[in-house]
Amino acid sequence: DAGVIQSPRHEVTEMGQEVTLRCKPISGHNSLFWYRQTMMRGLELLIYFNNNVPIDDSGMPEDRFSAKMPNASFSTLKIQPSEPRDSAVYFCASSFRQGVGANVLTFGAGSRLTVL
Amino acid sequence: KQEVTQIPAALSVPEGENLVLNCSFTDSAIYNLQWFRQDPGKGLTSLLLIQSSQREQTSGRLNASLDKSSGRSTLYIAASQPGDSATYLCAVTPGGNNDMRFGAGTRLTVKP
Repeated sequence: DAGVIQSPRHEVTEMGQEVTLRCKPISGHNSLFWYRQTMMRGLELLIYFNNNVPIDDSGMPEDRFSAKMPNASFSTLKIQPSEPRDSAVYFCASSFRQGVGANVLTFGAGSRLTVL
Repeated sequence: KQEVTQIPAALSVPEGENLVLNCSFTDSAIYNLQWFRQDPGKGLTSLLLIQSSQREQTSGRLNASLDKSSGRSTLYIAASQPGDSATYLCAVTPGGNNDMRFGAGTRLTVKP
């Protein structure tokens, strides 16, 4: 398996533009997570899905952020409109959850977003 | 709300030393605890997963322990090598859900 695949790896955009980050989880995994990492705040959970259904989006900073998971093999995180304070590395991770079984998270390489 | 703290924030040691990284969490009702490694500009790699019913896990030169009642975990690295230089993060899964909370990490430098 190629692991969790994220795109783009790097994105530089101007304030006000729409940004879409993409994630392909590991085949067979049924949980998907979006995290944001900054120097100031560390790694923060934004939202996670179980079986394509959003379970907890309380970490999404504001209405400018939205995430979707239309099927088990694809998820997007969208920022519209983007602001300079959104600059961060955005990680996607996936795991297999069965009942209350172990949750070994596998992370993607991240998408580094710079908003000018 | 679960808070995860890692001490020290940074650590520099000469090659060959044994070292301990610390992680503490405020709510002992966790389901599991994971240690990750992150290299600069890279994603996170899972090193060890300890279930709440376990006391420790070992993988090669790494040993992680868990004391749930006191809200502490340690990651022991034996005979450190320059290739061990990275940031090490611990994360806890509270109460069986998937909302994993991360510490800020310990940045380790092993000097040749």
